[in-house]
Amino acid sequence: GESVGLHLPTLSVQEGDNSIINCAYSNSASDYFIWYKQESGKGPQFIIDIRSNMDKRQGQRVTVLLNKTVKHLSLQIAATQPGDSAVYFCAENMPISYSGGYQKVTFGTGTKLQVIP
Amino acid sequence: DAGVIQSPRHEVTEMGQEVTLRCKPISGHNSLFWYRQTMMRGLELLIYFNNNVPIDDSGMPEDRFSAKMPNASFSTLKIQPSEPRDSAVYFCASSTFGLAVPANTGELFFGEGSRLTVL
Repeated sequence: GESVGLHLPTLSVQEGDNSIINCAYSNSASDYFIWYKQESGKGPQFIIDIRSNMDKRQGQRVTVLLNKTVKHLSLQIAATQPGDSAVYFCAENMPISYSGGYQKVTFGTGTKLQVIP
Repeated sequence: DAGVIQSPRHEVTEMGQEVTLRCKPISGHNSLFWYRQTMMRGLELLIYFNNNVPIDDSGMPEDRFSAKMPNASFSTLKIQPSEPRDSAVYFCASSTFGLAVPANTGELFFGEGSRLTVL
């Protein structure tokens, strides 16, 4: 199902420390997951993706971990910088029933990351 | 490429008025999505088009909302009549993906959004 965001979780991190942002996804049939970053006044931007046949993927300063057993994703940001301050969303590609194989992209609630200089 | 282009960036209107939001997807992209973002409900998928055909409109709130994609380079989201609870940021996103295949990538490219305020 969809998340209802009554309150946006906030993570405050000291500059230079590592950040871990967590996300629970909803559909066990989802086979592709993406983390997006949204800065104030802008649309979400792609950070990193992972397919369901993997449990870890690394990018530049970012790592995504996938635990299909408990339907959990995490985004790890190494050496967090002030420019990392934003809202982070996980998204899942969810099958559309009776569509002949199409998928739609649904987003989690989001986590606000605040980097303390 | 200029990216996904949305207009208007800001719209203030009175309850009962018709609102039309516009989107130009990235050239060559065959999938287009309309999302609505509010503090209360986060990012909600309203409708998904693939090759100009609506694939899933289960997120469209009610009959007051309608979306069209007359060609590969243009889509509109219309609200008639508008209500204060429609106030939100509306995002359009485009992508190259379609039917689920192993090489499918789901990256969406978002526009900067249209902020709608209905008084």
